[in-house]
Parts: sequence; structure tokens; C-alpha cells
Amino acid sequence: AQSVAQPEDQVNVAEGNPLTVKCTYSVSGNPYLFWYVQYPNRGLQFLLKYITGDNLVKGSYGFEAEFNKSQTSFHLKKPSALVSDSALYFCAVRVNTDKLIFGTGTRLQVFP
Amino acid sequence: NAGVTQTPKFQVLKTGQSMTLQCAQDMNHEYMSWYRQDPGMGLRLIHYSVGAGITDQGEVPNGYNVSRSTTEDFPLRLLSAAPSQTSVYFCASSRSRGVEYNEQFFGPGTRLTVL
Repeated sequence: AQSVAQPEDQVNVAEGNPLTVKCTYSVSGNPYLFWYVQYPNRGLQFLLKYITGDNLVKGSYGFEAEFNKSQTSFHLKKPSALVSDSALYFCAVRVNTDKLIFGTGTRLQVFP
Repeated sequence: NAGVTQTPKFQVLKTGQSMTLQCAQDMNHEYMSWYRQDPGMGLRLIHYSVGAGITDQGEVPNGYNVSRSTTEDFPLRLLSAAPSQTSVYFCASSRSRGVEYNEQFFGPGTRLTVL
């Protein structure tokens, strides 16, 4: 069965430092992976996705994610964190053409 | 475009009451879905629709009904509310089915409390 795990409930980082939010997955077949962000009192917003091709995927707001097939991971990264990046981040994996499964979410806190 | 709109923003129900959460989108999207968000559990798919007149169940459909009579609207009905349905509910839409190719757009959510 398809599943996705986000091992950290919260990640704290100082503004200007690089950030990483971790995601691991389990799928049968080719993985289709996604990152979404949720700002306070808002719905989720799409950040980026991996379907095929380059292992480094670039997305919105300067975020990127690295697909690693051998480690079954899809970690979200940003070279220099901003306070405004503070939000809840969700990793998701495609189950079939109509369904995604979301991880439990990781709260990113960026301190000035 | 207003995007995906949801009403109400907040709702408190008593056990056994019924209500309908409204969802509408003005982007002419074929695919619409309902999720619930619970602490420590992420988002779980309740029901989805790939077009007017077509609906199907997600991971957690029990206690919820949906219908899709128009492209724009996808209401979620709770027939007899239970405390276990206390959650934040999100509606989402995308241009067509094929989650791998079509970005989902989410509404702002409805926070429901069942006493």
C-alpha cells in the first residue's frame, strides 16, 4: 500500500540558515510525490511535485525537493529560510489517478 | 476568480444534528474533493467527484454523503453528527482527474465542533 511519513512534527531554524523538511515514502511502482504548504487559517497550497526526470525539483517561493530513490525520500529544502516560511508542510504521494495520501505534516518555525 | 469557497467558516453542532458544508469553485474544474484534517493525522480523503453526477468514496467516507449536481458545487452532508466528526474540513478542486498532473486548489476550510 502507498504511504508517506514525515518523521518530524516540528523543525526549528534560524532565519538565513538552510532548512530541510523530511519525507519518506512507500509505493508500489513509480512514485509521484508532492509538497503542499499550509499557512495559518488557510487551505493548502501546492509547492512542487516529482513525476519523473531530474531528482532535484524546483518549486514556488524558492523551495526545492530532492528525490532519492535508494533512500525512498523526498526532502523539502530551501537554501536560506525566511520568517515568512513558517507554516505547516505536508508531503503527499499519489495512490491512483484520483487520490493522494498526505503525511501528518511538519510545522516549520523560522526564528528571526 | 474567487477560487474555492467554503461556508460556513465555523460551526458548532450537537450530537445527532445534521448539516451541510458548502463548497463551490468558479474555475470550471471537473475534479472536486473533501478532506478532513485532524491533529497528528494529516489530511484524509472523505469523498471525491470526477465530474457532475459522479462521486466516489475516499479513505474515511462513513457518516458523510456527497452529491455533485453541477460542476461548481460539491456539498458535504453530515446526516447525524458525532463527536468523532469534530475536525477541520477542506474542499479542493483541480482542472481534471489525474492528481499527478493537476494541481489541487484548496478552500479556506470549515472548522466543525460536535458536542
